[in-house]
Amino acid sequence: AQKITQTQPGMFVQEKEAVTLDCTYDTSDPSYGLFWYKQPSSGEMIFLIYQGSYDQQNATEGRYSLNFQKARKSANLVISASQLGDSAMYFCAMREGESGFNKFYFGSGTKLNVKP
Amino acid sequence: EPEVTQTPSHQVTQMGQEVILRCVPISNHLYFYWYRQILGQKVEFLVSFYNNEISEKSEIFDDQFSVERPDGSNFTLKIRSTKLEDSAMYFCASSIDRNNQPQHFGDGTRLSIL
Repeated sequence: AQKITQTQPGMFVQEKEAVTLDCTYDTSDPSYGLFWYKQPSSGEMIFLIYQGSYDQQNATEGRYSLNFQKARKSANLVISASQLGDSAMYFCAMREGESGFNKFYFGSGTKLNVKP
Repeated sequence: EPEVTQTPSHQVTQMGQEVILRCVPISNHLYFYWYRQILGQKVEFLVSFYNNEISEKSEIFDDQFSVERPDGSNFTLKIRSTKLEDSAMYFCASSIDRNNQPQHFGDGTRLSIL
């Protein structure tokens, strides 16, 4: 089974609108962390936001927020007030367990296009 | 802000040749990783490294691959005899610990095998 599933290969959003990128995960470990990364066309991987499995509140970082629904095993990324520079691939990733050495499992990514 | 640096940005190599990809992790980080991303596909874990030894590796990381931290700053990935299917973007990452901190990625090395 896939550890991380991103079901939206591509998304379009109008500039200044909000957009939600979906991510579901699969783990039986009670301790895990969920991360979102942005990959522009230039190829680098940019860390955006983190959510821990024990965190009570949804993570927020500027225009990024994470809609964490633990029972549904989903960790959707919400980008508010989209900008043209947000056009990129977005990857959801998971680290599971406390005894492991932080190996990340990545989803297949969602390509976001922001339209002017 | 400190960052992970990778060299070269693009490496073109003949099939069967050895290649070494270099990375300088963030200086106070203790955990180091290599990932691979074949064009158009997702990022795949290769290996993690801590305290001068491999702590975990994936099934992709076979005997053709090796990692080394030859000095206090560099972290290298060696592919001994490259195959066409080794063509990919290779990312180095580092983290300060193994729990809640994100892994910081370098800009990647694009490896093209001819």
